[in-house]
Amino acid sequence: QQQVKQSPQSLIVQKGGISIINCAYENTAFDYFPWYQQFPGKGPALLIAIRPDVSEKKEGRFTISFNKSAKQFSLHIMDSQPGDSATYFCAASRWTGNQFYFGTGTSLTVIP
Amino acid sequence: DVKVTQSSRYLVKRTGEKVFLECVQDMDHENMFWYRQDPGLGLRLIYFSYDVKMKEKGDIPEGYSVSREKKERFSLILESASTNQTSMYLCASLTVRTGRGTEAFFGQGTRLTVV
Repeated sequence: QQQVKQSPQSLIVQKGGISIINCAYENTAFDYFPWYQQFPGKGPALLIAIRPDVSEKKEGRFTISFNKSAKQFSLHIMDSQPGDSATYFCAASRWTGNQFYFGTGTSLTVIP
Repeated sequence: DVKVTQSSRYLVKRTGEKVFLECVQDMDHENMFWYRQDPGLGLRLIYFSYDVKMKEKGDIPEGYSVSREKKERFSLILESASTNQTSMYLCASLTVRTGRGTEAFFGQGTRLTVV
């Protein structure tokens, strides 16, 4: 059973546009929600993360929006650039947990 | 910087061969994981380990085994490789950082092709 559901599977955005990736979870014990970014030929790396005590976290052009009541969170990439083209994974875990549950990934292509 | 190193970037093996994928991390992390990555299926957990000589099955352990004899090394073993095990394999180690929560560090991946 997929603990974290992610959509869309692929996304094509024009340079300068906004990329939005959505995730949903079921387990209310999760209290830590990171996003990982994976470039071709590389392993995923932590991009940004949020805890449910805030509804939004912003780092540069990347923003996580979190809706605790709906058990949903999303990644927004503002002013998308070709260099943002990568696969993005959302995940959920406990803050001090020892296992992540990953979404199925979104392949983002930003067209110049 | 944390480094997770997988022994091979690309491997081609024949059906029925026993295959070893090696992973080494340099940060004394207790938790290590093996995932396979397939298009549309994301990262699927094969096995994980919380300590030396400890192992736990993940979501898709069939056809695989693991070995963790030393804390820094976690090996994935394909007992008898089959074509449906052609995939990208990712190793990760995980740590809990004070005030920063849990973070996973991934290797660069091994692209395994079974012919």
